[in-house]
Amino acid sequence: GAVVSQHPSWVICKSGTSVKIECRSLDFQATTMFWYRQFPKQSLMLMATSNEGSKATYEQGVEKDKFLINHASLTLSTLTVTSAHPEDSSFYICSASPQGSSYNEQFFGPGTRLTVL
Amino acid sequence: GDSVTQMEGPVTLSEEAFLTINCTYTATGYPSLFWYVQYPGEGLQLLLKATKADDKGSNKGFEATYRKETTSFHLEKGSVQVSDSAVYFCALSDPYNTDKLIFGTGTRLQVFP
Repeated sequence: GAVVSQHPSWVICKSGTSVKIECRSLDFQATTMFWYRQFPKQSLMLMATSNEGSKATYEQGVEKDKFLINHASLTLSTLTVTSAHPEDSSFYICSASPQGSSYNEQFFGPGTRLTVL
Repeated sequence: GDSVTQMEGPVTLSEEAFLTINCTYTATGYPSLFWYVQYPGEGLQLLLKATKADDKGSNKGFEATYRKETTSFHLEKGSVQVSDSAVYFCALSDPYNTDKLIFGTGTRLQVFP
């Protein structure tokens, strides 16, 4: 149980285009989902916390107009990288907290590698 | 701010060797501490955790003890297997914001037969 999927697993896009990444909790309902970014040989950096039905809370330094997060249901959150540029190339990871659990109980997706040409 | 420092990898071992991956932390309060493991192509999975000083987390033969005096949470296993090859992340949960996990940079373990 407690499986989180991400789609796509990797994506290559041209500079200036937008890319949407989906995060789904497959066998549980998640009130809260998290989006992380990971650079090579660096730790996971929390980008934002999203709660179903409300606006995401972004970490300091993360542009909310560039990284659009939608948490439309208890099993789906999406991250849209708008007007992507090469510096947005990274590994994006989502996680989800089951409904009723403590926030530090997070189940992670396998990640999405974004390459912007 | 709070931070986690863990040893750089890769750590390369032969099967049945003893494993230690060092992790130290900086926190203003009393965090909970975690070890996550990421197998190739999969998401991070919680391996073990400890919520207060002197607690020992254990799972699948791995152990880590929450040492407040040395602000450490080193991961150990007495006899590694090839199937333990993965990336291991040390993390803490921010005591002033329990919805945040703060991660170390990860340590890749490679076990050869």
